[in-house]
Amino acid sequence: NAGVTQTPKFRILKIGQSMTLQCTQDMNHNYMYWYRQDPGMGLKLIYYSVGAGITDKGEVPNGYNVSRSTTEDFPLRLELAAPSQTSVYFCASSYRGLADYEQYFGPGTRLTVT
Amino acid sequence: GQQLNQSPQSMFIQEGEDVSMNCTSSSIFNTWLWYKQEPGEGPVLLIALYKAGELTSNGRLTAQFGITRKDSFLNISASIPSDVGIYFCAGQLKEYGNKLVFGAGTILRVKS
Repeated sequence: NAGVTQTPKFRILKIGQSMTLQCTQDMNHNYMYWYRQDPGMGLKLIYYSVGAGITDKGEVPNGYNVSRSTTEDFPLRLELAAPSQTSVYFCASSYRGLADYEQYFGPGTRLTVT
Repeated sequence: GQQLNQSPQSMFIQEGEDVSMNCTSSSIFNTWLWYKQEPGEGPVLLIALYKAGELTSNGRLTAQFGITRKDSFLNISASIPSDVGIYFCAGQLKEYGNKLVFGAGTILRVKS
């Protein structure tokens, strides 16, 4: 198993550009999550999904969109990039969700918006 | 909102020393998880705790779920250079569904 994979690893965007961060997991996990990590801060939840076709907002969803058309993929979309979105983005997944809270993380995407 | 206070913020220790870090909250948690993040990588799960009072070891790492369910600690014994990284606690609240709340992290540096 590759686990959770993310692409790209690095990206520089200009203000106002858009992009999609890709996330794929091959563990047949139901739950998937997107976090952002800023220096000196813990991980903040952006969006999550409890299964294909179902998504919900986390703590910091503004400026982002997600979709979950398959169990494996959970892309994160930035429509109009802003400097405040400069961060490291992590995708994670977990199995059942009800009694299993162990989340497994991808390697991250480092995004700079200038 | 839910908050986890993780301390210390950073540690610079001598190789061979023991390390202790903890997380506290005013909220009651059902689950505590401890993760380690190395530079340029995603967090990796070290230990998961599911019951109040539970004490679990993973090699030189030991973590405990506090009796009050509001805190947890992680100990690393006889530290080695590869222990360097950022250690995060994460807690799960019943009313927060399957989502986790993360502490701000403890940066560990080891001097050999």
